Amino acid sequence: AQKVTQAQTEISVVEKEDVTLDCVYETRDTTYYLFWYKQPPSGELVFLIRRNSFDEQNEISGRYSWNFQKSTSSFNFTITASQVVDSAVYFCALSRMDSNYQLIWGAGTKLIIKP
Amino acid sequence: DAMVIQNPRYQVTQFGKPVTLSCSQTLNHNVMYWYQQKSSQAPKLLFHYYDKDFNNEADTPDNFQSRRPNTSFCFLDIRSPGLGDAAMYLCATSLESAGYSNQPQHFGDGTRLSIL
Repeated sequence: AQKVTQAQTEISVVEKEDVTLDCVYETRDTTYYLFWYKQPPSGELVFLIRRNSFDEQNEISGRYSWNFQKSTSSFNFTITASQVVDSAVYFCALSRMDSNYQLIWGAGTKLIIKP
Repeated sequence: DAMVIQNPRYQVTQFGKPVTLSCSQTLNHNVMYWYQQKSSQAPKLLFHYYDKDFNNEADTPDNFQSRRPNTSFCFLDIRSPGLGDAAMYLCATSLESAGYSNQPQHFGDGTRLSIL
């Protein structure tokens, strides 16, 4: 079965702390793509990153970094020195080659950054 | 310079009264999607268009229809809204060529639908 698990339903940290959001996936495909999206309280989903299955390099973008490990089927997301504006629901998603454009979405992790 | 625009932002309709939600895009993307998102849940794909080809998800109720008159516009019609259809409806676009979703999707701000 193809599946994305975000086991952390909600995380609450104090501003400036580092926080890691976990994403574990299952797929039979050898070629696949993983995504992270952010959904702030205003509602729109914002694309953060795409990673394909052949590229295991970690990625850093400012305070955001992503750790992709095929050995553990994980694609974790770390925010360094968190800020209140990082408060949002974060979704991890997996593309399905057999699905005709449907993504498999994790349940989302609600991140609360307290001032 | 919003790229995926949804109107209205909030929509209130009566039980059983047809409602249409609209989405437009300036990205010239070939794929447009409609998602339903209920509180504290992930988005659920209702259907998508690849150019003019309509693709309905197997579990999308017949009550939901869509139209894409041209590349830029897509509409979601709910023929007889029930209380269970109250949700956020999200439109998204992507530029695809591989036969499956491997490109980022660009989302609109959503339309929050309430049913009285």
